[in-house]
Amino acid sequence: ETGVTQTPRHLVMGMTNKKSLKCEQHLGHNAMYWYKQSAKKPLELMFVYSLEERVENNSVPSRFSPECPNSSHLFLHLHTLQPEDSALYLCASSQVGISGQGEKLFFGSGTQLSVL
Amino acid sequence: TQLLEQSPQFLSIQEGENLTVYCNSSSVFSSLQWYRQEPGEGPVLLVTVVTGGEVKKLKRLTFQFGDARKDSSLHITAAQPGDTGLYLCAGGGGQGAQKLVFGQGTRLTINP
Repeated sequence: ETGVTQTPRHLVMGMTNKKSLKCEQHLGHNAMYWYKQSAKKPLELMFVYSLEERVENNSVPSRFSPECPNSSHLFLHLHTLQPEDSALYLCASSQVGISGQGEKLFFGSGTQLSVL
Repeated sequence: TQLLEQSPQFLSIQEGENLTVYCNSSSVFSSLQWYRQEPGEGPVLLVTVVTGGEVKKLKRLTFQFGDARKDSSLHITAAQPGDTGLYLCAGGGGQGAQKLVFGQGTRLTINP
């Protein structure tokens, strides 16, 4: 069983659809993240939850809505997306320490999203 | 805004050759991580370097953190097809993983 599991692996949706991405981590970590990966661009951090509270929201459009019901699960709710939102959406987890030095991210395999 | 520039962006070489990938910035980082991402998968951490001038070896991979902690390099000796993937560097500011800054990646292809 992998440490961070994402479903679905692939998703095709129309601009008027509502869908959700799911992430589950089995590593006992206390922080979870959503990243967007587009071609030829650096990984873009979207949201961070630490100890189940959202601590980072990098000016992400409101059509993306995260939810973290507990430290092991993370969702990304999608509605009225645009074609430019097509990308690989990666979930990650880490163990937040006191110093924050050298924290390691453990990524899931991602959801490849296509918006038509 | 901190930026990390990786070069080259694309590299295709024959099996058995050596290569070096670079990660450069004008900013100082407290740590530098290297990840490898294979097609259809998420990035996997290879190494973390935290001291200026530090060199770490992982089998045929050698990672170096610059003396001024602004740059890093990844050298692969005798590349193999299994080394194919997207290599990402990420700079840390000592404030947790949410402050990691990623480079745009180097896509490496090793041809048999």
